[in-house]
Amino acid sequence: GAVVSQHPSWVICKSGTSVKIECRSLDFQATTMFWYRQFPKQSLMLMATSNEGSKATYEQGVEKDKFLINHASLTLSTLTVTSAHPEDSSFYICSAISPLAGGLGVFGPGTRLTVL
Amino acid sequence: GESVGLHLPTLSVQEGDNSIINCAYSNSASDYFIWYKQESGKGPQFIIDIRSNMDKRQGQRVTVLLNKTVKHLSLQIAATQPGDSAVYFCAETHSGGSQGNLIFGKGTKLSVKP
Repeated sequence: GAVVSQHPSWVICKSGTSVKIECRSLDFQATTMFWYRQFPKQSLMLMATSNEGSKATYEQGVEKDKFLINHASLTLSTLTVTSAHPEDSSFYICSAISPLAGGLGVFGPGTRLTVL
Repeated sequence: GESVGLHLPTLSVQEGDNSIINCAYSNSASDYFIWYKQESGKGPQFIIDIRSNMDKRQGQRVTVLLNKTVKHLSLQIAATQPGDSAVYFCAETHSGGSQGNLIFGKGTKLSVKP
């Protein structure tokens, strides 16, 4: 139990385009999901907290108009990187709070974004 | 504090030896700590957690020690195996036990030599 998936697992796009990344909780409902970004050989940095049915809460320094988050259902949150640039290339990881895991966040497998 | 760096500290151990990975956390108000294992190209995997009212917790082959006085956390892995090779992160939060807002440490790369 308590499985989180992400789609796609990797994506390559051209500079200026937008990319949508999906985070799904497969066997539980998650009112709260989190989005992290991880640059190579660095730690995870929290970008935003996604709450079902309401606006996301962004961490300081994260542009909400660039990283659009939608949490329209209890099993799906999406992160859209708008007008992507090479510096947005990173590993994006989501986590979902799971009652099956004692209220802990369960991490997805991550999505590797490369912007050319 | 936020972790920045161009390379990860590396710990290299021989298969069968014990490993000790250390972490200094930043917020004295943090009351819940988690160790994660991250293999290359994958998301973090929960290993073990500890609350601030404890100083030691044991799992299967793993032990976490917490020293609140010096804000230090360690992860001990007994009889380290090649499958333990990964990057290990500590994470802290002060939201009462749930993953409210995790702050991750820098990470340590563990390499196990057969």
